[in-house]
Parts: sequence; C-alpha cells; structure tokens
Amino acid sequence: GESVGLHLPTLSVQEGDNSIINCAYSNSASDYFIWYKQESGKGPQFIIDIRSNMDKRQGQRVTVLLNKTVKHLSLQIAATQPGDSAVYFCAATDNYGQNFVFGPGTRLSVLP
Amino acid sequence: SQTIHQWPATLVQPVGSPLSLECTVEGTSNPNLYWYRQAAGRGLQLLFYSVGIGQISSEVPQNLSASRPQDRQFILSSKKLLLSDSGFYLCAWSQLGGKQPQHFGDGTRLSIL
Repeated sequence: GESVGLHLPTLSVQEGDNSIINCAYSNSASDYFIWYKQESGKGPQFIIDIRSNMDKRQGQRVTVLLNKTVKHLSLQIAATQPGDSAVYFCAATDNYGQNFVFGPGTRLSVLP
Repeated sequence: SQTIHQWPATLVQPVGSPLSLECTVEGTSNPNLYWYRQAAGRGLQLLFYSVGIGQISSEVPQNLSASRPQDRQFILSSKKLLLSDSGFYLCAWSQLGGKQPQHFGDGTRLSIL
C-alpha cells in the first residue's frame, strides 16, 4: 500500500541553526505535498505546500524541496527558534488525488 | 477568515457508552470535511470524509459513524464505545475539489475506561 515515512523520528538542533526534516513517499502518482507542524495537544498546522510541477518553494523561514525522481521531500527551517519545537509531518496525495497519506512525524527539539 | 471548531477538547467515557463529537467550520461554504484518528507515533488515519450534506465516505470499517446534517457541521458518533476507540480525533476541512490543503481543528482526546 501507499506509505509516507520520515527518515528520523527525532531531531535536535541548536537555536539559530538550520533544520532539515526529510520525508519519503512511495506513490509515484502523488502530485501534491504538504508539510504540517503539530504542537503538543493541538491539531496540525499547515506550513507550506508544493505541487509536482515544482521542485522548490519558499515561505517565511521555510523551504520545501521536492525530488520526484527519488520520491523525496524535505522541509528546511532557517534560523531555528524555540517556538519551532514540535512534530513535523508530511502528507502526499493518494492514488485518487483526493485524500492524503500522512507520515508519522519527526519531533524537532530546539536546544538553547 | 476560516475557522474550525471541535469540541469537547477532552472526553472520558465508559466502555459501552455512546459518543458524539462535533466539528463546525466558519467562513467558507461547501467545504470538504474529514475525521481522522491519530495514534501516538503514527500517521493520521482517515476515518470519514464528506463532500456535501448527507454524503459520507468511510475509509475503514469500525465502530464509528459520521454524519453531516448541515453544510459546515460534521459529527462523529458511536452507539457503544470500545476500549480500542481511545485516541486523538481530528476534524479537518478543505476547499471543495482535490489537491487543496486540509486545515485541522485542535482535536478531541478521547479516553475510554
């Protein structure tokens, strides 16, 4: 079946450093991808999305890179701050393009 | 702007009791609506989705049901809860049509005793 996974379950970075969170997906038909941030006890919050006709998209302090050849997605956070500590997970469209398959998440911890 | 509300935030119920979780969306019309369950360390599992009033699609066989009595209201129900129904339940909405971001409520933590 379809799957979306992340390379690391946890990631610790120093405050001010850049963070890179990775995601691999299995379905070559996936054509729309989203990164979410989830803080403890809250619902996932949309961060940034990218469609398959792009390989890079930038937001405020965040960049998403898409490599369709190897079915890999990454989220880069510049100048990581304590408020960035959360679980980050990616989502990829399923076979029908209507719904999403979600990864289990990477917990980002920002060290002072 | 659009907002989504879920309640209650936490709920403790005995085994065999009924369940009703409610989700409402404001600031948009004809949204797609979704119910997910999130288990610790695992990805979100889609339970139900709806593209319109009275239209419910179920993704997995289970002890739960969903209803959409109004355009922006989505309800998750059970007649008799099981221990395995414990979890974190999330409601989400998206604009009508495919390939749109889904926006989530803050969830309900359901504990079955």
